[in-house]
Amino acid sequence: AQSVTQPDIHITVSEGASLELRCNYSYGATPYLFWYVQSPGQGLQLLLKYFSGDTLVQGIKGFEAEFKRSQSSFNLRKPSVHWSDAAEYFCAVGAIGGYQKVTFGTGTKLQVIP
Amino acid sequence: DADVTQTPRNRITKTGKRIMLECSQTKGHDRMYWYRQDPGLGLRLIYYSFDVKDINKGEISDGYSVSRQAQAKFSLSLESAIPNQTALYFCATLRTEAFFGQGTRLTVV
Repeated sequence: AQSVTQPDIHITVSEGASLELRCNYSYGATPYLFWYVQSPGQGLQLLLKYFSGDTLVQGIKGFEAEFKRSQSSFNLRKPSVHWSDAAEYFCAVGAIGGYQKVTFGTGTKLQVIP
Repeated sequence: DADVTQTPRNRITKTGKRIMLECSQTKGHDRMYWYRQDPGLGLRLIYYSFDVKDINKGEISDGYSVSRQAQAKFSLSLESAIPNQTALYFCATLRTEAFFGQGTRLTVV
């Protein structure tokens, strides 16, 4: 069964500092991988996705993520965090083809301090 | 208009009542999903549907039922609401990525 682990429940970074949010997945075949962001009181917005090809993917709001098959990881990064990035971030994995289910991690809540 | 619309956005109901959450989409996607979000647990899949005639249970379907009235409409029902069903509920459609509604905050008292 597919699963996603986000080991960090809560992360605090200073504004302007770099950010890396960790995500490990378990899936038997080639996965779809996603990062979503949820601002307080809002739905989920897609930041970026990986299907195939270049393992470094660029997303919106200056985020990027790197797919590392050998480590089953898809970590999210941003070189310089802005106060508006404070939100909850969810990593997700989905199947390619056939029945498509998207399984989410438990989320990482990001706090940005001045 | 939003691609995925959920109604109501907020609802307070009493234990034992039946309640329906509705979802409609304009994406034209076949695949629709209902998730439940609880703090610290992320999003958990309740039910999903790949077309009008196809309904599948997710990981936490007990106490819930769904109806796919049309390609664009997928409703979630709580037959007899209980307090531990208090949560934020999301509907989503999927093709190459998931598109989410704004969520329904349900409180069962």
